[in-house]
Amino acid sequence: DTGVSQDPRHKITKRGQNVTFRCDPISEHNRLYWYRQTLGQGPEFLTYFQNEAQLEKSRLLSDRFSAERPKGSFSTLEIQRTEQGDSAMYLCASSSGTLGYTFGSGTRLTVV
Amino acid sequence: TQLLEQSPQFLSIQEGENLTVYCNSSSVFSSLQWYRQEPGEGPVLLVTVVTGGEVKKLKRLTFQFGDARKDSSLHITAAQPGDTGLYLCAGVTNNDMRFGAGTRLTVKP
Repeated sequence: DTGVSQDPRHKITKRGQNVTFRCDPISEHNRLYWYRQTLGQGPEFLTYFQNEAQLEKSRLLSDRFSAERPKGSFSTLEIQRTEQGDSAMYLCASSSGTLGYTFGSGTRLTVV
Repeated sequence: TQLLEQSPQFLSIQEGENLTVYCNSSSVFSSLQWYRQEPGEGPVLLVTVVTGGEVKKLKRLTFQFGDARKDSSLHITAAQPGDTGLYLCAGVTNNDMRFGAGTRLTVKP
């Protein structure tokens, strides 16, 4: 296993378009997290899955954002009707507990 | 408003100097983690501290968790240019983890 994979690495989209990102966690990890990071800030929590169940969602996750983890393995994060304020690095992390998370390299979204 | 406050926000030092960065909160955490992040990459876990008062050493890096499990420090001895990066602390409560804004360290040769 090569760690947490995120695809794509970069995405440029026009305002109003929908985008979807994918995260493949470490296979034996049952927990999966999505974070968003803007320039000069630490990662901000968006949502958390344990297996296929979405257990927590941040207030940052407006109704334009939806995340799924249908089979408890990979996860997708969709943003509908993108806005310029959505431009950020979207990070995925996985863990088997709470003592250490493995992050992917992120998807950098630019909304023009 | 960040749950965790990190200081200083920026630090630029010469190779060979020592430094300490701080992570403070009014919340109690079940554990606290330190990460280092390079530009364009995700954070990489350095250490997890769990017990109040715990001290962990990783080569030239020394991590301390406060007795009340609300704060932590990272001390680097004889800093090297390879230590340059964004150092993030993250506090774990229940099932989620919250990050500070980070300390951006630059070590000049």
